[in-house]
Amino acid sequence: DAKTTQPNSMESNEEEPVHLPCNHSTISGTDYIHWYRQLPSQGPEYVIHGLTSNVNNRMASLAIAEDRKSSTLILHRATLRDAAVYYCILRDSGGSNYKLTFGKGTLLTVNP
Amino acid sequence: NAGVTQTPKFRILKIGQSMTLQCAQDMNHNYMYWYRQDPGMGLKLIYYSVGAGITDKGEVPNGYNVSRSTTEDFPLRLELAAPSQTSVYFCASSYDPLWTGKSTEAFFGQGTRLTVV
Repeated sequence: DAKTTQPNSMESNEEEPVHLPCNHSTISGTDYIHWYRQLPSQGPEYVIHGLTSNVNNRMASLAIAEDRKSSTLILHRATLRDAAVYYCILRDSGGSNYKLTFGKGTLLTVNP
Repeated sequence: NAGVTQTPKFRILKIGQSMTLQCAQDMNHNYMYWYRQDPGMGLKLIYYSVGAGITDKGEVPNGYNVSRSTTEDFPLRLELAAPSQTSVYFCASSYDPLWTGKSTEAFFGQGTRLTVV
């Protein structure tokens, strides 16, 4: 199984950029890197995903290292609404292909 | 567009009781999933379905059953509830299998908070 390592928590100030790291040293060549976030008392929501190239969307940017052993989710200007648990997820290739395995993620606190 | 709808939002069960957690999606997604989330932990897959009539076990299926008679609905049945099943349950759906890059995202419901006493 591809595993990910994230810091337990991070803190940021409002309107500042936030860089959320994720290590995935055992990633396989075909694994996409997915990021989801979970706001308090809500279900997870999709943020972004990518394979090799850096990716941008309206919510965030994903920077993927050249060797693909790590990636960074970038929130360009954090808002209070961005306070959430952020999950870096790889496909769980053990047994079933039909799932993404969520670890504990990084709890992001945004200070006003 | 409602997305993924779960009912009920909250429920308290006594040990040994049974119940069905309802999940419906209106996006015509073939793939649907049930996860549970224990306090302070990540999500664990209980069951999933790749289409109407086809279901399979995930990581923690014991104590649960599912059925998928229509594309829209994917109910989760708890038989003989136990305190260990106290958790928040999330239903999700996706257009493509989650392990490929074709699917941009999985959509999650708001969750059902279940307490077994």
